[in-house]
Amino acid sequence: SAVISQKPSRDICQRGTSLTIQCQVDSQVTMMFWYRQQPGQSLTLIATANQGSEATYESGFVIDKFPISRPNLTFSTLTVSNMSPEDSSIYLCSETDRDSYNEQFFGPGTRLTVL
Amino acid sequence: QKEVEQNSGPLSVPEGAIASLNCTYSDRGSQSFFWYRQYSGKSPELIMFIYSNGDKEDGRFTAQLNKASQYVSLLIRDSQPSDSATYLCAVQGAQKLVFGQGTRLTINP
Repeated sequence: SAVISQKPSRDICQRGTSLTIQCQVDSQVTMMFWYRQQPGQSLTLIATANQGSEATYESGFVIDKFPISRPNLTFSTLTVSNMSPEDSSIYLCSETDRDSYNEQFFGPGTRLTVL
Repeated sequence: QKEVEQNSGPLSVPEGAIASLNCTYSDRGSQSFFWYRQYSGKSPELIMFIYSNGDKEDGRFTAQLNKASQYVSLLIRDSQPSDSATYLCAVQGAQKLVFGQGTRLTINP
């Protein structure tokens, strides 16, 4: 699997501000995804980051709140906009390659606390 | 009904015993099934995947799939304290993974 890095690893933000999380993969991958893991919960898919086009969002997530970019096959960003304490969570990016059986591999995550 | 269901535990198993983790899913069209291990404060780590009915073994881990019963399990033989973690079952549907709530496993020395 590719090596995935995320920046920042953690941050503490004030409500009403925005944070952009970066996800970098060390090789070209077919698909990249963004997940949220709220405290004590499982993973919830936010969106699929599509290279060169708008992301595909899951029910309950909207572009205005979670804008996503994927300018190439190795990099994606997720912005958490106009944050509230309810956005406190771990945000994870993952990647998969169509040549596999759709195994997804995760980055180390970004732990976000909103005050 | 949740798409992917797991017993949240905690499941407590003595060291050296077999730990059995179970998962059921609702989408009969699902083709690929995954087990992730997540240590506290860490991201999920893929440990097994299976796509055919039957058993798949990898070291101390065995994944079992029964598509007719819509049931996936993970067996961990000779459990070690380092196996203590939350185990997440994930099911592939429509090009995305759906995760269960996870089972917290504790191996007691």
